[in-house]
Formats: sequence, structure tokens, C-alpha cells
Amino acid sequence: QVQLVESGGGLGKPGGSLRLSCAASGFTFSDYYMNWIRQAPGQGLEWISNIRNDGTTTTYADSVRGRFTISRDNAKSSLFLDINNLRADDTAVYYCARMNGAGDTYDAFDFWGRGTVVTVSS
Amino acid sequence: QSVLTQPPSVSGAPGQRVTISCTGTSTNIGTGYDVHWYQHLPGAAPKLLIHDTTNRPSGVPDRFSASKAGISASLAITGLQAEDEGDYYCQSYDTGLRTWVFGGGTRLTVL
Repeated sequence: QVQLVESGGGLGKPGGSLRLSCAASGFTFSDYYMNWIRQAPGQGLEWISNIRNDGTTTTYADSVRGRFTISRDNAKSSLFLDINNLRADDTAVYYCARMNGAGDTYDAFDFWGRGTVVTVSS
Repeated sequence: QSVLTQPPSVSGAPGQRVTISCTGTSTNIGTGYDVHWYQHLPGAAPKLLIHDTTNRPSGVPDRFSASKAGISASLAITGLQAEDEGDYYCQSYDTGLRTWVFGGGTRLTVL
């Protein structure tokens, strides 16, 4: 069965960096667009980034563009999110999620992980 | 503030029917984009409940149904069960923001 397991969260200092990982199994990872979605405490879900199945195209929400970098290693069925210049408002649960189509605007996120918690505090 | 508006909470007794609304604008649901619904139960990963506005993935009971009209969508749950208690989110795409957008989530309490 499809499994997505995030890791790499923890406590980071303002201005610091973190790398989140998502290990995928149960499907052909290289066939799917993958996404990062986050949820700040008491807030709704926020889509932040996705990456084409072959890794050649990435897109970002305005709120993270320039500080976050999404990447993938299809040989290892892994997705990554590098977060730089951490800010307090990056505090959130970060989920990786698979897209059920070709990254089109009408696609849904058909499988999610349980998330990894990032806390930014000095 | 979330782009799509949902009620913060709904509740119902076991066996009853509840609905959860999701209101957007002319730049998302109102343009005709599909609406998807997710269920997030305590301690679990979010789960796709309804895709492409009205379709249930394999394994989702037919107690869950959804519809859309104009700038709004709605999720209906019939025959409420205690295991349905959790958070529900709607999602679409916004042409103005050029991003996938979510509702703020609705907490369902089974009384």
C-alpha cells in the first residue's frame, strides 16, 4: 500500500535551516508529482510547493518562494524540502502528499503522510 | 485566513446527517474548478474523501457525498458514526493566486 513518511522536523532557530524528507513506498515514485503542504497551529492547510515527477519543474507558494527548495531523488523514492532563513511563521506540521494526476490545477492530493513538526523559536 | 470558507465546527448524533459547506469566490470554485474533500482523523494522515467534486475513491463509504453549485460546495455525511469524528477540509485551485487552496477546516463532533 502507498506509504509516505516524513522526517527531519524539530526545533530550529530564526535564520537557521532545516531539511525535511519524505520516504515513499508502495507505488512507482517517479510516476507522480509530489507536494509539500503545511498546517500552522490553529490554522488551515496551506499548499507550499510541488515538483514534477522527473524533477525538472518546481512551483512554490508566494509565502515561501526564495527560502524553500523542493527536490527529489527518484532512485531512492524520496522527496525533500530545504527550508532556509527560518521564521517564526514557518512553525507548522509539514505534510508530503502525492498528486493524483499530472500536476494540473484540477488534481487532488490522493495520499498524504502523517507529517513532521517544525518549531521555530530562539 | 483561508481562501475557502468553512464553518469551524458541526455536530450530530450517531445515525444523523450533517453537511459541511465550503464557500469560495469567482477565482476558484466559481470558475468551475473541481473541489476535493479530505478527512483528517486524530493521529492519522489526511485522507482523500471526495475527488473531482463528487467522486469517492475506492474504499470510501457511500455515506459520504458531495456537490457543488456556483461558488460553493458541500459535503454530506449520512448515518453518522463515532469514527467519523475529526477534521474535514475542502480544496480547489485559485486562478488569481495561481495556487492550490484549502478551506480552514471543519471539526465534526459526533455527540
